[in-house]
Amino acid sequence: GDSVTQMEGPVTLSEEAFLTINCTYTATGYPSLFWYVQYPGEGLQLLLKATKADDKGSNKGFEATYRKETTSFHLEKGSVQVSDSAVYFCALTQNTGGFKTIFGAGTRLFVKA
Amino acid sequence: DTAVSQTPKYLVTQMGNDKSIKCEQNLGHDTMYWYKQDSKKFLKIMFSYNNKELIINETVPNRFSPKSPDKAHLNLHINSLELGDSAVYFCASSQAEVRGEAFFGQGTRLTVV
Repeated sequence: GDSVTQMEGPVTLSEEAFLTINCTYTATGYPSLFWYVQYPGEGLQLLLKATKADDKGSNKGFEATYRKETTSFHLEKGSVQVSDSAVYFCALTQNTGGFKTIFGAGTRLFVKA
Repeated sequence: DTAVSQTPKYLVTQMGNDKSIKCEQNLGHDTMYWYKQDSKKFLKIMFSYNNKELIINETVPNRFSPKSPDKAHLNLHINSLELGDSAVYFCASSQAEVRGEAFFGQGTRLTVV
């Protein structure tokens, strides 16, 4: 079945460091890919998305490119801030008789001042 | 205005009790979901409804019963609560043709003692 694998955390970085969180997926067909962010005590919020191969999603300085050849959707940010500390979820959605979103296990990011 | 709202935010109850969690969305979406997030932040879909019709029903004990009185509401009733049901339950909604981008509620932290 479809699945999403993302790097285990926690990831601890200093402010202004470069961030990469790896995400790879397994899916039949052509899924849409997403990154969601969950701040402490809150629900998930969509961070960015890409709906077809070679699309780049971007938001708030974060970027991810849909790479069909490597089945990847790695999240990057050039300079992280303390306020970026959160749990990040990679996800895919397929229409399998209903849109079903499958999430990766989540990667916790800590950014130190 | 809150887009997806769930009540209650916290629920502490004893084993064997029956409880309900309510969810409402004011986004005009046609699809609603329940997810369970365990203590390790792993998210798993439980149910999905499209226009009040159940379309996804993952392997969930039949003690869990969703009810959708209209497409803006999706409630979750849990019978005979067990310790292992302790988790954060998230309601979400999406519009099917927007390829699965989901909006999440704030979550309900259920603790069974």
